Amino acid sequence: AQKITQTQPGMFVQEKEAVTLDCTYDTSDQSYGLFWYKQPSSGEMIFLIYQGSYDEQNATEGRYSLNFQKARKSANLVISASQLGDSAMYFCAMRELGNAGNMLTFGGGTRLMVKP
Amino acid sequence: NAGVTQTPKFQVLKTGQSMTLQCAQDMNHEYMSWYRQDPGMGLRLIHYSVGAGITDQGEVPNGYNVSRSTTEDFPLRLLSAAPSQTSVYFCASRAPTGFGYEQYFGPGTRLTVT
Repeated sequence: AQKITQTQPGMFVQEKEAVTLDCTYDTSDQSYGLFWYKQPSSGEMIFLIYQGSYDEQNATEGRYSLNFQKARKSANLVISASQLGDSAMYFCAMRELGNAGNMLTFGGGTRLMVKP
Repeated sequence: NAGVTQTPKFQVLKTGQSMTLQCAQDMNHEYMSWYRQDPGMGLRLIHYSVGAGITDQGEVPNGYNVSRSTTEDFPLRLLSAAPSQTSVYFCASRAPTGFGYEQYFGPGTRLTVT
Protein backbone atom coordinates (compact mmCIF):
# COMPACT_ATOMS: atom_id res chain seq x y z
CA ALA A 1 0.00 0.00 0.00
CA GLN A 2 1.10 3.54 -0.69
CA LYS A 3 2.36 5.27 2.40
CA ILE A 4 1.69 8.76 1.04
CA THR A 5 -1.12 9.43 -1.42
CA GLN A 6 -1.69 12.67 -3.26
CA THR A 7 -4.82 12.23 -5.34
CA GLN A 8 -4.67 15.48 -7.33
CA PRO A 9 -2.11 15.19 -10.15
CA GLY A 10 -2.80 18.77 -11.23
CA MET A 11 -4.78 21.74 -10.00
CA PHE A 12 -5.57 25.24 -11.14
CA VAL A 13 -6.22 28.16 -8.81
CA GLN A 14 -6.96 31.79 -9.51
CA GLU A 15 -4.40 34.28 -8.26
CA LYS A 16 -5.22 35.62 -4.76
CA GLU A 17 -7.54 32.70 -3.98
CA ALA A 18 -6.84 29.96 -1.45
CA VAL A 19 -6.16 26.37 -2.49
CA THR A 20 -5.98 23.05 -0.64
CA LEU A 21 -3.66 20.26 -1.73
CA ASP A 22 -4.64 16.85 -0.41
CA CYS A 23 -2.39 14.32 1.28
CA THR A 24 -3.32 11.11 3.05
CA TYR A 25 -0.84 8.84 4.75
CA ASP A 26 -0.62 5.32 6.09
CA THR A 27 1.41 4.38 9.14
CA SER A 28 1.12 2.21 12.21
CA ASP A 29 3.70 4.28 14.10
CA GLN A 30 2.52 6.60 16.86
CA SER A 31 5.43 8.96 16.31
CA TYR A 32 5.83 10.42 12.87
CA GLY A 33 6.29 13.72 11.09
CA LEU A 34 4.63 15.13 7.99
CA PHE A 35 6.32 17.54 5.62
CA TRP A 36 5.43 19.54 2.55
CA TYR A 37 8.00 20.49 -0.07
CA LYS A 38 7.71 22.75 -3.10
CA GLN A 39 9.58 22.01 -6.32
CA PRO A 40 9.53 24.88 -8.82
CA SER A 41 10.42 24.35 -12.45
CA SER A 42 14.07 25.03 -11.60
CA GLY A 43 14.07 21.69 -9.78
CA GLU A 44 15.22 22.41 -6.25
CA MET A 45 13.33 21.03 -3.25
CA ILE A 46 12.11 23.78 -0.92
CA PHE A 47 10.88 22.90 2.57
CA LEU A 48 7.54 24.56 3.38
CA ILE A 49 6.03 23.23 6.58
CA TYR A 50 6.20 20.45 9.17
CA GLN A 51 3.61 18.79 11.45
CA GLY A 52 4.46 16.33 14.21
CA SER A 53 2.04 13.55 15.06
CA TYR A 54 1.78 14.78 18.66
CA ASP A 55 1.35 18.44 17.77
CA GLU A 56 -2.09 19.56 18.84
CA GLN A 57 -2.13 22.75 16.81
CA ASN A 58 -2.09 22.83 13.04
CA ALA A 59 1.25 24.10 11.74
CA THR A 60 1.40 27.46 10.01
CA GLU A 61 4.22 29.20 8.14
CA GLY A 62 3.23 32.48 6.57
CA ARG A 63 0.71 31.77 3.80
CA TYR A 64 1.05 28.01 4.31
CA SER A 65 -0.93 26.02 6.83
CA LEU A 66 -1.29 22.31 7.34
CA ASN A 67 -4.76 20.95 8.03
CA PHE A 68 -3.87 17.93 10.16
CA GLN A 69 -6.65 15.41 10.80
CA LYS A 70 -4.98 12.57 12.65
CA ALA A 71 -7.97 10.22 12.84
CA ARG A 72 -8.48 10.51 9.10
CA LYS A 73 -4.72 10.31 8.46
CA SER A 74 -4.75 13.40 6.33
CA ALA A 75 -2.32 16.33 6.19
CA ASN A 76 -3.61 18.77 3.61
CA LEU A 77 -1.63 21.86 2.66
CA VAL A 78 -3.55 25.10 2.45
CA ILE A 79 -2.03 28.01 0.56
CA SER A 80 -3.79 31.30 1.15
CA ALA A 81 -3.79 34.22 -1.28
CA SER A 82 -2.12 32.31 -4.13
CA GLN A 83 0.60 34.05 -6.07
CA LEU A 84 1.95 33.36 -9.56
CA GLY A 85 5.19 32.20 -7.95
CA ASP A 86 3.29 29.41 -6.20
CA SER A 87 3.04 27.54 -9.51
CA ALA A 88 5.11 24.42 -8.87
CA MET A 89 5.02 20.75 -7.90
CA TYR A 90 4.13 20.12 -4.28
CA PHE A 91 5.13 16.98 -2.44
CA CYS A 92 3.83 15.60 0.81
CA ALA A 93 6.29 13.42 2.74
CA MET A 94 6.37 11.43 5.97
CA ARG A 95 9.06 10.44 8.39
CA GLU A 96 8.35 7.44 10.63
CA LEU A 97 10.25 6.35 13.70
CA GLY A 98 10.72 2.84 12.37
CA ASN A 99 11.35 3.77 8.74
CA ALA A 100 14.73 3.39 7.03
CA GLY A 101 16.97 5.69 9.04
CA ASN A 102 14.02 7.99 9.64
CA MET A 103 14.29 9.11 6.03
CA LEU A 104 11.40 10.64 4.12
CA THR A 105 8.78 8.78 2.09
CA PHE A 106 7.26 10.99 -0.61
CA GLY A 107 3.93 11.09 -2.35
CA GLY A 108 3.62 11.40 -6.10
CA GLY A 109 3.08 15.14 -6.02
CA THR A 110 0.51 17.69 -7.17
CA ARG A 111 1.24 20.21 -9.87
CA LEU A 112 -0.30 23.55 -8.95
CA MET A 113 -0.85 26.17 -11.63
CA VAL A 114 -1.84 29.68 -10.58
CA LYS A 115 -3.84 31.63 -13.15
CA PRO A 116 -3.50 35.45 -13.37
CA ASN B 1 27.62 27.71 4.47
CA ALA B 2 27.31 26.11 1.06
CA GLY B 3 24.73 23.64 2.40
CA VAL B 4 24.48 20.47 0.31
CA THR B 5 26.42 20.48 -2.94
CA GLN B 6 26.22 17.98 -5.78
CA THR B 7 28.40 17.45 -8.82
CA PRO B 8 27.95 17.18 -11.70
CA LYS B 9 24.71 19.04 -12.47
CA PHE B 10 24.18 17.12 -15.71
CA GLN B 11 25.63 13.87 -17.01
CA VAL B 12 25.08 11.67 -20.04
CA LEU B 13 26.29 8.08 -19.88
CA LYS B 14 26.23 5.18 -22.27
CA THR B 15 24.74 1.89 -21.14
CA GLY B 16 27.30 -0.08 -19.17
CA GLN B 17 29.44 2.85 -18.13
CA SER B 18 30.09 3.55 -14.46
CA MET B 19 30.32 6.85 -12.66
CA THR B 20 30.18 8.48 -9.25
CA LEU B 21 27.81 11.26 -8.26
CA GLN B 22 29.39 13.46 -5.63
CA CYS B 23 27.61 14.91 -2.61
CA ALA B 24 29.06 17.04 0.16
CA GLN B 25 27.59 18.99 3.07
CA ASP B 26 29.20 21.50 5.40
CA MET B 27 26.61 21.47 8.19
CA ASN B 28 28.17 18.59 10.14
CA HIS B 29 25.02 16.54 9.63
CA GLU B 30 25.28 12.88 10.52
CA TYR B 31 22.35 11.74 8.39
CA MET B 32 22.74 11.77 4.61
CA SER B 33 20.71 10.14 1.88
CA TRP B 34 20.27 9.73 -1.85
CA TYR B 35 16.94 9.90 -3.65
CA ARG B 36 15.96 9.53 -7.27
CA GLN B 37 13.10 11.34 -8.97
CA ASP B 38 11.69 9.92 -12.16
CA PRO B 39 9.63 12.17 -14.46
CA GLY B 40 6.31 13.20 -12.93
CA MET B 41 6.94 11.26 -9.73
CA GLY B 42 7.96 11.77 -6.15
CA LEU B 43 11.38 11.04 -4.69
CA ARG B 44 12.39 7.49 -3.81
CA LEU B 45 15.11 6.59 -1.34
CA ILE B 46 18.13 4.77 -2.80
CA HIS B 47 20.63 4.57 0.08
CA TYR B 48 21.20 6.39 3.32
CA SER B 49 23.79 6.82 6.03
CA VAL B 50 23.41 7.65 9.71
CA GLY B 51 27.09 8.40 10.23
CA ALA B 52 30.58 7.85 8.89
CA GLY B 53 31.09 4.16 8.14
CA ILE B 54 27.36 3.31 8.39
CA THR B 55 25.19 2.90 5.30
CA ASP B 56 22.02 1.03 4.49
CA GLN B 57 19.64 0.41 1.62
CA GLY B 58 16.48 2.31 0.90
CA GLU B 59 13.56 1.50 -1.36
CA VAL B 60 15.41 1.26 -4.70
CA PRO B 61 19.08 0.29 -4.05
CA ASN B 62 19.75 -2.05 -6.99
CA GLY B 63 22.50 -0.88 -9.32
CA TYR B 64 23.94 1.63 -6.84
CA ASN B 65 26.69 1.57 -4.21
CA VAL B 66 27.52 4.04 -1.48
CA SER B 67 30.19 4.54 1.12
CA ARG B 68 30.65 7.11 3.88
CA SER B 69 34.25 7.60 4.92
CA THR B 70 33.76 11.15 6.25
CA THR B 71 30.88 13.09 7.77
CA GLU B 72 30.96 15.57 4.90
CA ASP B 73 30.88 13.32 1.83
CA PHE B 74 28.44 10.69 0.60
CA PRO B 75 29.15 9.61 -3.00
CA LEU B 76 26.75 7.48 -5.03
CA ARG B 77 28.27 5.02 -7.50
CA LEU B 78 26.48 3.64 -10.54
CA LEU B 79 28.13 0.32 -11.24
CA SER B 80 26.92 -0.34 -14.81
CA ALA B 81 24.53 2.32 -16.03
CA ALA B 82 21.19 1.28 -17.53
CA PRO B 83 18.53 3.40 -19.30
CA SER B 84 16.22 2.71 -16.32
CA GLN B 85 18.60 4.80 -14.21
CA THR B 86 17.81 7.92 -16.22
CA SER B 87 16.54 10.21 -13.48
CA VAL B 88 17.25 13.24 -11.35
CA TYR B 89 19.29 12.38 -8.28
CA PHE B 90 19.05 14.36 -5.07
CA CYS B 91 21.37 14.16 -2.11
CA ALA B 92 20.05 15.29 1.27
CA SER B 93 21.30 15.74 4.81
CA ARG B 94 19.88 16.50 8.22
CA ALA B 95 20.72 16.55 11.90
CA PRO B 96 19.85 13.25 13.58
CA THR B 97 17.68 14.28 16.49
CA GLY B 98 13.95 14.82 16.44
CA PHE B 99 11.31 14.48 13.78
CA GLY B 100 11.03 18.11 12.90
CA TYR B 101 14.53 18.62 11.68
CA GLU B 102 14.40 19.82 8.13
CA GLN B 103 16.01 17.71 5.44
CA TYR B 104 18.30 19.86 3.32
CA PHE B 105 18.44 18.91 -0.34
CA GLY B 106 21.17 19.49 -2.87
CA PRO B 107 20.31 21.01 -6.27
CA GLY B 108 20.17 17.63 -8.00
CA THR B 109 22.05 15.82 -10.75
CA ARG B 110 20.19 15.14 -13.99
CA LEU B 111 21.44 11.84 -15.41
CA THR B 112 20.61 10.47 -18.84
CA VAL B 113 21.65 6.95 -19.83
CA THR B 114 21.51 6.18 -23.56
